[in-house]
Amino acid sequence: LAKTTQPISMDSYEGQEVNITCSHNNIATNDYITWYQQFPSQGPRFIIQGYKTKVTNEVASLFIPADRKSSTLSLPRVSLSDTAVYYCLVGDVDKYIFGTGTRLKVLA
Amino acid sequence: GAVVSQHPSWVICKSGTSVKIECRSLDFQATTMFWYRQFPKQSLMLMATSNEGSKATYEQGVEKDKFLINHASLTLSTLTVTSAHPEDSSFYICSARDPRVTYGYTFGSGTRLTVV
Repeated sequence: LAKTTQPISMDSYEGQEVNITCSHNNIATNDYITWYQQFPSQGPRFIIQGYKTKVTNEVASLFIPADRKSSTLSLPRVSLSDTAVYYCLVGDVDKYIFGTGTRLKVLA
Repeated sequence: GAVVSQHPSWVICKSGTSVKIECRSLDFQATTMFWYRQFPKQSLMLMATSNEGSKATYEQGVEKDKFLINHASLTLSTLTVTSAHPEDSSFYICSARDPRVTYGYTFGSGTRLTVV
């Protein structure tokens, strides 16, 4: 399982774009990169997943460089309700090991 | 689709008693489910992997006799915290493979256990 490293916390203001980068230097060939969001006292919720290049859905974009040793979750125009912990997970096996996550705080 | 229901959402029990937490996959079959615990301001810690029809696989340091896991059907896994003590108070979360996402998982809403 590839170990991931993320910033512990980030602050942003409403309406700004937020980019959270995750390092995964030991990513394996078959590994996918998946991001989850967790609000207090709730289970994590799937945001986006990618293997290489760029993936975009209705809530976020995921940028993955060619070497795949890092990835960046981009949240466009955040709102107060985006305050949460964001986890980057890497793997292709049948279980996830969660890293520390990034605690994003969106300020008014 | 791919909803995991967890029950109860919170429970308070007396020290020394046992508590059962249920995790159900509502619209898909889950041969494998996972149980996590999470302390305040900390990340999720994987406790065990629950396999339908066989014994659970516990992570290192997790007492299998204290945290009993049963996965009797393709849609239900249960975690029983036996002889609970205040230090077992935590947020317990289950998950299952999300059939819609490659190597993705869907999580239950969690159970807040408080042992008094």
